[in-house]
Amino acid sequence: GAGVSQTPSNKVTEKGKYVELRCDPISGHTALYWYRQSLGQGPEFLIYFQGTGAADDSGLPNDRFFAVRPEGSVSTLKIQRTERGDSAVYLCASSLNFQGEQYFGPGTRLTVT
Amino acid sequence: AQKVTQAQTEISVVEKEDVTLDCVYETRDTTYYLFWYKQPPSGELVFLIRRNSFDEQNEISGRYSWNFQKSTSSFNFTITASQVVDSAVYFCALSERGGRRALTFGSGTRLQVQP
Repeated sequence: GAGVSQTPSNKVTEKGKYVELRCDPISGHTALYWYRQSLGQGPEFLIYFQGTGAADDSGLPNDRFFAVRPEGSVSTLKIQRTERGDSAVYLCASSLNFQGEQYFGPGTRLTVT
Repeated sequence: AQKVTQAQTEISVVEKEDVTLDCVYETRDTTYYLFWYKQPPSGELVFLIRRNSFDEQNEISGRYSWNFQKSTSSFNFTITASQVVDSAVYFCALSERGGRRALTFGSGTRLQVQP
């Protein structure tokens, strides 16, 4: 079956621009997670959705970051006024429920120049 | 707060050697889950195992085995008869039932298996 997909795979943007990153979870998975992975580090949690609502957004670094999941399936991570420090691989994962194992997508590599 | 420590930054072995990757965790929750993921050079995280905190039985899957010891807060991963295809970064992770349900990852151990 289809796994978690993320688009685009690569995004290069200029400092100060707005970007949107998309995640399409495994069909039927109610939980969706966003993580950010910097070079040489483990992934760091950003936000977690159970259904349509953000159950935990404590990992978002500041108010430039926002995510939505309006119909409980596809999610979009939005970053305003991008900064060079936002450059990283943004990973999305989904699980059947909050207790299940999380399956990861291939990630979006964001580069802010 | 939860924390996962993987003290080994990088390990290099020769093919067919056994290798153990260490993982130590901290949590205040009484119910939690432990995971191992593999990240090959292609970059995609691959799920290997999930272990419930109530289940301390060791598990074996082919050449892979996991040793969960609650008394020492450790969840170590052993690869027997390593192969070049095992070369990757391995991450240990923790999630809590009552606290943070998202994964808290360690910093990873890079395993290089030389032919």
